[in-house]
Amino acid sequence: GESVGLHLPTLSVQEGDNSIINCAYSNSASDYFIWYKQESGKGPQFIIDIRSNMDKRQGQRVTVLLNKTVKHLSLQIAATQPGDSAVYFCAENMNSGYSTLTFGKGTMLLVSP
Amino acid sequence: DTEVTQTPKHLVMGMTNKKSLKCEQHMGHRAMYWYKQKAKKPPELMFVYSYEKLSINESVPSRFSPECPNSSLLNLHLHALQPEDSALYLCASSRRRSGDHTDTQYFGPGTRLTVL
Repeated sequence: GESVGLHLPTLSVQEGDNSIINCAYSNSASDYFIWYKQESGKGPQFIIDIRSNMDKRQGQRVTVLLNKTVKHLSLQIAATQPGDSAVYFCAENMNSGYSTLTFGKGTMLLVSP
Repeated sequence: DTEVTQTPKHLVMGMTNKKSLKCEQHMGHRAMYWYKQKAKKPPELMFVYSYEKLSINESVPSRFSPECPNSSLLNLHLHALQPEDSALYLCASSRRRSGDHTDTQYFGPGTRLTVL
């Protein structure tokens, strides 16, 4: 599992760069994963999801990779833009009969022009 | 349309006040959730309603009282809160189809609560 820290991990990139945000999830029984983007003062916004029977899924400018062997999830953002600046959370859904999400601690992405 | 709405956007209340937070969705979702989020932290689950019945209460103090009047509405009644309850309160909803392992939750914008 991930430890609770006082500060959010931060990734700083230049506009146009590709960004990779990583997440270690906690439960090997989790079968569905979601990436959310949260801008300051707003609620989490769904970006992309992936089921445990897949190892890669692509969206518009975003790709999620899943490595179940090491319980690792990553979000790749191509050609990062200033509007991508936000906190990104991974969330895992263990198939317990209810849709209860366990969130990672989040990564702040800062994109400079 | 994946919109969840929440009112009010901001709320300031004293420790003796009674107030309510409201959440609404018109996506036909049958599960609704309340989360609490402190600054620089991930959302923490408080309550889950499934088909208008409370299915999960994550050991939340009784000064928080949820209510689900119908499948589109979710309320959170607040009474005798403490300053440490100040946070962003998020509502979410999901389809909650039986056997659906990909039950995506969609979040509202949240209510920023300050308890004085």
